Amino acid sequence: GAVVSQHPSWVICKSGTSVKIECRSLDFQATTMFWYRQFPKQSLMLMATSNEGSKATYEQGVEKDKFLINHASLTLSTLTVTSAHPEDSSFYICSARPLAGEGTGELFFGEGSRLTVL
Amino acid sequence: GQSLEQPSEVTAVEGAIVQINCTYQTSGFYGLSWYQQHDGGAPTFLSYNGLDGLEETGRFSSFLSRSDSYGYLLLQELQMKDSASYFCALPTSGTYKYIFGTGTRLKVLA
Repeated sequence: GAVVSQHPSWVICKSGTSVKIECRSLDFQATTMFWYRQFPKQSLMLMATSNEGSKATYEQGVEKDKFLINHASLTLSTLTVTSAHPEDSSFYICSARPLAGEGTGELFFGEGSRLTVL
Repeated sequence: GQSLEQPSEVTAVEGAIVQINCTYQTSGFYGLSWYQQHDGGAPTFLSYNGLDGLEETGRFSSFLSRSDSYGYLLLQELQMKDSASYFCALPTSGTYKYIFGTGTRLKVLA
């Protein structure tokens, strides 16, 4: 199946700093990627849709100035958590799907990035 | 908008059969998917129903009834490694922007 890679796997930062998380599709091109956030023992909450070459589309309640998304190429999307605070500590997961996967209902996920803000 | 409801927790013993239900609300239907997630890991795809009926993939099967806005995941011959969280998920449109259900934590006991 298609491979999506996410980096870093975990990161610890001080309150007030910014953290960048990368999501790469390794063996396919992805014009669209999705960013999710998951708190412990909760479901995956969709944050935003990352669109290659254009602005990201954010879900209601997600601060676009807080969570900056850049999708500069067909294989890379980045999520930057700006001025991070302890409440931003969470598991961030990206997903993508190759065009050939249409109709199969299958999304491919990165390994996830666990952010801890001190 | 869309929403999907699942039981929060299910417990079963090794070798048993367990069913995880999912009821949903959506304005447009584009299929129902199921994902498994082990603690600390990423979700992995299990099954997909685009039409009513049963889809079988090895020990896992998934059922859909669009008229009842209901689906379930059936896990047979349970193994300890099946202890994980299971999510049903709906695309919000014809794209692959998925909304996930509340999640069911399955505990398999020896």
